[in-house]
Amino acid sequence: SQTIHQWPATLVQPVGSPLSLECTVEGTSNPNLYWYRQAAGRGLQLLFYSVGIGQISSEVPQNLSASRPQDRQFILSSKKLLLSDSGFYLCAWSFATRMKVEQYFGPGTRLTVT
Amino acid sequence: AQSVTQPDIHITVSEGASLELRCNYSYGATPYLFWYVQSPGQGLQLLLKYFSGDTLVQGIKGFEAEFKRSQSSFNLRKPSVHWSDAAEYFCAVGARGNKLVFGAGTILRVKS
Repeated sequence: SQTIHQWPATLVQPVGSPLSLECTVEGTSNPNLYWYRQAAGRGLQLLFYSVGIGQISSEVPQNLSASRPQDRQFILSSKKLLLSDSGFYLCAWSFATRMKVEQYFGPGTRLTVT
Repeated sequence: AQSVTQPDIHITVSEGASLELRCNYSYGATPYLFWYVQSPGQGLQLLLKYFSGDTLVQGIKGFEAEFKRSQSSFNLRKPSVHWSDAAEYFCAVGARGNKLVFGAGTILRVKS
């Protein structure tokens, strides 16, 4: 069966510091991968998605970037955090086939920028 | 463009009462529809999905949802709510590129 991991679970970082959040998937090959952000009291905002190694699509312009250095690894980064980057970050995966579009979510990372 | 509307931000029901959470979608073709549940501080868990066929779909934890094309709706139901069902519920529709478009969510509170 497939599992998805995210770390760290929580993170407190000062404004201007760098960020690296990691997501890995086990038990499947060539998954689609997604990064979402949930700000307090708001829904899910899709930040990035990837259909393969090195292939990243950005959904909204922002202070963040994503990379996919390996098939089942997805990294969310920032060079300098802003207060507005605080939120709950969720990684998700789906099968790459059109008929299996449901996404499976990781446990999330709570980021607080101070 | 695809969109999902969950008209109720908060719903409070008594334990043992029935539940219906509303979801309306906008999509040009036959939609792929989903309901997810999120407990505080946790990731999202897939409750059920509709792709085609029987318009009444069963999910985990005793939930079901009915797809009504004429009303562009996919409402989530449960006949008897348990205190452990208190959570936030998200409806979603499949979009191009294997992406999902989510509604804003409905927070369910359960009174004992």
